[in-house]
Amino acid sequence: GENVEQHPSTLSVQEGDSAVIKCTYSDSASNYFPWYKQELGKRPQLIIDIRSNVGEKKDQRIAVTLNKTAKHFSLHITETQPEDSAVYFCAASIGNAGNMLTFGGGTRLMVKP
Amino acid sequence: SQTIHQWPATLVQPVGSPLSLECTVEGTSNPNLYWYRQAAGRGLQLLFYSVGIGQISSEVPQNLSASRPQDRQFILSSKKLLLSDSGFYLCAWSVQSNQPQHFGDGTRLSIL
Repeated sequence: GENVEQHPSTLSVQEGDSAVIKCTYSDSASNYFPWYKQELGKRPQLIIDIRSNVGEKKDQRIAVTLNKTAKHFSLHITETQPEDSAVYFCAASIGNAGNMLTFGGGTRLMVKP
Repeated sequence: SQTIHQWPATLVQPVGSPLSLECTVEGTSNPNLYWYRQAAGRGLQLLFYSVGIGQISSEVPQNLSASRPQDRQFILSSKKLLLSDSGFYLCAWSVQSNQPQHFGDGTRLSIL
């Protein structure tokens, strides 16, 4: 089955700096890659997603890149703010009938003011 | 618009007691439904998913079971809770393949 590795597990940046979180996946059939943000004690919320027919997608300060050949995808947050502090999860799906997502282990991002 | 409701928000249960957590979705028909468990400071573990009424797939062997008695209702149950069942239980739904999954607010379950 699919295996998703996420790095780093923790990331501390200064407010205004950029943050990059990387994920690798094992199943070349995966074609859908969402990113979720989870604040302490809250539910995960989708912040951006990308499909395998696209190499890059951007939404304001957030961007995701996908390298299908290398089987890795990354989340880029620019001009970080304290409210960006949270745990971020990447995930991958092969688009089967159950639409099952395999999640990475999460990255705790801390943005210091 | 679609909404997902999950209750209760918190639950404290003694070891050996039964469990029933309920999740309902509004504003969509025939959604895919999912139950996840998240241990403290850890990632999301898929427990069960359902693509239709009465159709349940289990991802990991465990002390839990799931049922889908109605199109937009998903129930997580246990006959006898174990200490290891403690965690944050999240219900989620999606429209179909390769579409986002959307999570409920979760139930924080503590077993004493």
